[in-house]
Amino acid sequence: EPEVTQTPSHQVTQMGQEVILRCVPISNHLYFYWYRQILGQKVEFLVSFYNNEISEKSEIFDDQFSVERPDGSNFTLKIRSTKLEDSAMYFCASSVIFGGPGEQYFGPGTRLTVT
Amino acid sequence: AQRVTQPEKLLSVFKGAPVELKCNYSYSGSPELFWYVQYSRQRLQLLLRHISRESIKGFTADLNKGETSFHLKKPFAQEEDSAMYYCALGASGTYKYIFGTGTRLKVLA
Repeated sequence: EPEVTQTPSHQVTQMGQEVILRCVPISNHLYFYWYRQILGQKVEFLVSFYNNEISEKSEIFDDQFSVERPDGSNFTLKIRSTKLEDSAMYFCASSVIFGGPGEQYFGPGTRLTVT
Repeated sequence: AQRVTQPEKLLSVFKGAPVELKCNYSYSGSPELFWYVQYSRQRLQLLLRHISRESIKGFTADLNKGETSFHLKKPFAQEEDSAMYYCALGASGTYKYIFGTGTRLKVLA
C-alpha cells in the first residue's frame, strides 16, 4: 500500500538556521498538507497546498515558513530562520479528495529540534 | 470558533471491558469527523470517518449533531488497542483538520 514518506526522521539545528523538511506524498494525490505537534500539545494545521499554490494557511504559518513542490514528487517545508519554539514533530499529509478535507494520509513525521 | 475537545488525556481499561473515547466538537456548519489512531512509534492512521459509518477493528462512532459529539466505542477492548486516539474535524469549504488533544488508551491485561 502506498505511503507518505518524510525525510529526515530527526533534524537537529541551531537557532537562526534554515531547515528544509521533505515529504513525498502518495503519487496520485492532489492535496498536500503540513501539520506540527509540539511535544505534549495537539496536532496543529500549518498549510494546505493544491495546484502549486497555497490553498489555506494558519496563523502559525508566518513569513518564516514556505512550501514548495520542486518537482513531481517532493513537497517541502522550509523554515528560514528557526526559533526554539519551532521544535516540534512535523507531519506531512496528502489527500485525493476535491472540495473538502477528505481522508488525509499522514507521513511518519520529522522531529525538529532547535537548540 | 471551530474546536474539538477530547476531555480525557488517559483512559485505562481492562482487556474485555467496553471502551468509550469521548469527542465533542464546536462548529456551526456541517462537519466531517474522523478518528485517527497512532500506535507507538507509528504514523497517524485513519480509523473511522463518520460518512462511511463502518466498523474498523471493532470500533464504531456515531455522529450526534444534537450533542455535537462523535464518541468512539468498542464493546470489548483488546491489548493491541492501546494507542493514542485523535478526533479530527474537517470543516466544509476548508482543507484542514482541527484535531483534539488526543486520548491515550491503555488496555490492561
